[in-house]
Amino acid sequence: QVQLVQSGAEVKKPGASVKVSCKASGYNFTRYAIHWMRQAPGQRLEWMGWINGGNGHTKYSQNFQVRVTFTRDTSARTAYMEVSSLRSADTAVYYCARWAQQPHDYWGQGTPVTVSS
Amino acid sequence: EIVLTQSPDTLSLSLGERATLSCRASQSVGSYFAWYRQKPGQPPSLLIYDASKRATGIPARFSGSGSGTDFTLTISSLEPEDFAVYYCQQYSNWLTFGGGTKVEI
Repeated sequence: QVQLVQSGAEVKKPGASVKVSCKASGYNFTRYAIHWMRQAPGQRLEWMGWINGGNGHTKYSQNFQVRVTFTRDTSARTAYMEVSSLRSADTAVYYCARWAQQPHDYWGQGTPVTVSS
Repeated sequence: EIVLTQSPDTLSLSLGERATLSCRASQSVGSYFAWYRQKPGQPPSLLIYDASKRATGIPARFSGSGSGTDFTLTISSLEPEDFAVYYCQQYSNWLTFGGGTKVEI
């Protein structure tokens, strides 16, 4: 069955970077895009952008195109999301989700990222 | 950016009752619209896409309607697992989510 398994919780200091992984199984990884979202405490879900699992093409939300980078490793069937120059406002749960014939039909379990000095 | 406004913020209902949730878009999104349910400590899960199509495995008590700027999610008879937070999403112009409606007992 389709599964997306994300890396574990992170605690970072302001100004540092964080890289979250999303390992896919149960489907052809190169066939669909992986999207990234985040959910800060008490806030609505924010869409960050996506990466095409096949050709690696990326699209970033305007709010994230400066400090966020998406990559993927097809041999490892894994997508990555890196945020640089972290600040306290980046404290959130970060999610990956597959976009196939239906939008965001499978989600990772979420990776909590805490930014604190 | 298209802003989605959900109402009400909280809906207090009982098991077996009918729930009606609304979402309004700041501009037309056609039928590029979805609904998700999020249980505590879990990621959201897709219920409805393209405004009215049930996602794979979603029971018939969930139905979606609307197009353009006004959308509705109806749960015909609430089950215990339906007490959760519901989010709307548009994917007509980039992607944005609504602020959520909490369905509580």
